[in-house]
Amino acid sequence: EPEVTQTPSHQVTQMGQEVILRCVPISNHLYFYWYRQILGQKVEFLVSFYNNEISEKSEIFDDQFSVERPDGSNFTLKIRSTKLEDSAMYFCASSGMGDQPQHFGDGTRLSIL
Amino acid sequence: AQRVTQPEKLLSVFKGAPVELKCNYSYSGSPELFWYVQYSRQRLQLLLRHISRESIKGFTADLNKGETSFHLKKPFAQEEDSAMYYCALRGNFGNEKLTFGTGTRLTIIP
Repeated sequence: EPEVTQTPSHQVTQMGQEVILRCVPISNHLYFYWYRQILGQKVEFLVSFYNNEISEKSEIFDDQFSVERPDGSNFTLKIRSTKLEDSAMYFCASSGMGDQPQHFGDGTRLSIL
Repeated sequence: AQRVTQPEKLLSVFKGAPVELKCNYSYSGSPELFWYVQYSRQRLQLLLRHISRESIKGFTADLNKGETSFHLKKPFAQEEDSAMYYCALRGNFGNEKLTFGTGTRLTIIP
């Protein structure tokens, strides 16, 4: 069964540095999402992406965040200048057309020092 | 605003006993409800969605619009059911974001 893959599995970064989290969605999917889960808290929506543009974003997704689909397979989340509170598990998800459910990757654990 | 409430953070059940994980939601239209499961150190996996009306791994969930609930049930718990369970809601326009509850950690006692 095809899967969403995320790299790296764990990223440790100094506060203030830029970080890029990578995702390869399922190949025939058209909708892409990023969620995050701060330790001990619930999974929160960050952004959705369709047809090469953001379709929705949450209040968490401020100017420090950006998403990109640089080629036909990757979907990236960039945090420009990381803060301590960005430490979390970041999940990528993708879905197909219509009412297809979202499929999640294994997540990237981001630790900001 | 849409919201999902899972009142139990932790639930322990003896093997063979019935399981019920509670989920209530708040949404102004007709949402789609899901249960996702996360086994230890693994990804979020779709367990059930209300429109499928199917049973997966012995689990069922019925959408009760009057009570705005989507409780997850299984008549006889198995040890392999120990996991984190998340109830999630999606709006009725297809590929919208998911809104998750805080999750319930289910532990099956042998």
